[in-house]
Amino acid sequence: NAGVMQNPRHLVRRRGQEARLRCSPVKGHSHVYWYRQLPEEGLKFMVYLQKENIIDESGMPKERFSAEFPKEGPSILRIQQVVRGDSAAYFCASSPTMEAYGYTFGSGTRLTVV
Amino acid sequence: TQLLEQSPQFLSIQEGENLTVYCNSSSVFSSLQWYRQEPGEGPVLLVTVVTGGEVKKLKRLTFQFGDARKDSSLHITAAQPGDTGLYLCAGAGNSGGSNYKLTFGKGTLLTVNP
Repeated sequence: NAGVMQNPRHLVRRRGQEARLRCSPVKGHSHVYWYRQLPEEGLKFMVYLQKENIIDESGMPKERFSAEFPKEGPSILRIQQVVRGDSAAYFCASSPTMEAYGYTFGSGTRLTVV
Repeated sequence: TQLLEQSPQFLSIQEGENLTVYCNSSSVFSSLQWYRQEPGEGPVLLVTVVTGGEVKKLKRLTFQFGDARKDSSLHITAAQPGDTGLYLCAGAGNSGGSNYKLTFGKGTLLTVNP
């Protein structure tokens, strides 16, 4: 049983480009969470999604960031018009229930904006 | 202000020594988790504690949740080089908040020298 799969592992984008980060949850998990880890800071919650629904996006910047978890396919975190401050490690986690007890994290996508 | 304060930030010890790291907060959490993160990887869940005063053991690791559910400690006995990593504590449901959203500390970076 594969864990949470994230790709790409590393992503380099120039300022102003778009970044698309993908996350396939553990098979059978319908709850997906995205966290961001900035240098010198802890992991910060961004968004919580269930299939086709955004449940809580309170940690997402209001502009340029969006997330989806379609009925078929992986969850996508999309960052438009990236800036240097978006450089960070982005982690996806999934769980079988709407609680933090059963979190499984992926290995992350390291975004570098040049 | 960091909701979860971890101490020490850095710890370098010799193989065979014992150590304790701490996770403190002024908020009450419904559950608290400890993770270990290695460079370039995502956090891996070690334990979840949910009851005030609870003690859980995982081989040489002992986890304790404070009686008031505001703090926790991780004690490692006879540390080994394989224990090297970033230890993160994360709380859910602080002060009656969402149980699906984790608040992370900045972590304790442990290095065990052979």
